[in-house]
Amino acid sequence: DQQVKQNSPSLSVQEGRISILNCDYTNSMFDYFLWYKKYPAEGPTFLISISSIKDKNEDGRFTVFLNKSAKHLSLHIVPSQPGDSAVYFCAASEPDSGNTPLVFGKGTRLSVIA
Amino acid sequence: SQTIHQWPATLVQPVGSPLSLECTVEGTSNPNLYWYRQAAGRGLQLLFYSVGIGQISSEVPQNLSASRPQDRQFILSSKKLLLSDSGFYLCAWTPGSGLIGYTFGSGTRLTVV
Repeated sequence: DQQVKQNSPSLSVQEGRISILNCDYTNSMFDYFLWYKKYPAEGPTFLISISSIKDKNEDGRFTVFLNKSAKHLSLHIVPSQPGDSAVYFCAASEPDSGNTPLVFGKGTRLSVIA
Repeated sequence: SQTIHQWPATLVQPVGSPLSLECTVEGTSNPNLYWYRQAAGRGLQLLFYSVGIGQISSEVPQNLSASRPQDRQFILSSKKLLLSDSGFYLCAWTPGSGLIGYTFGSGTRLTVV
C-alpha cells in the first residue's frame, strides 16, 4: 500500500510558466514533508521541506503548500526554467523519526520546454 | 563538511555473478545509512537501512543483502544477480540525531545482462 502517492508520472510546462507538482499521502501520522529533485544518473538532492505546523513554505522560485485536511501537498515552481527539468520526489516522515526511513512517492518527471 | 562516496558509478554484470557496491560517509559519526533502488517507472524503493554497526533492517525480501562493517561504511551485496536486479542504486545518509532529510550519493547504474 503506497503511503505517498504522486499520481502524475510526468508533466510538461512551458518556460516561464508555473509548474505544479502534486503529492497525496494516506498516513495521518506524517508530520514532515520534503521534495527532492533528481537529474538522470545522479542522486536526488533536497529541494524544500515543510512541517505540518505550517501550510506554506517558500524558497525563491519554489513554494510548497500543505493541506493537512486533504492530506495533500504541492510544489509550485515559478517561473519554470529549462534547468528545472528533472524527476521530483515527494517524501514524508512521522514524528521523531530520525531513525525511520523517509517514505517516497514514485516521482513526477517535469519537462520545461523552452 | 560531510561527504558521501558511492562506487562504482556504472557496472555491467552477467546473470548469476556476485555483486558488491560500497558506500562511505566522511565527516560525521554514527550516521544512519540507507540503500535505495530506482527501477524504471518504480520510483525510489528502500532496500536496507542501518542505524548502527551491524544493525541492518531489510525492507524488501530479495536476493540482495547489506552489511555495515564499520561506522561509516555500508555495503550492498548479492551472491547471484538476477536480470531484475538491474537499476540505479543509491546510498544515502542522515545524522541520525532526529534531523530529517537525506543526503544521497551519486548512484550506481547496474545492468545485469
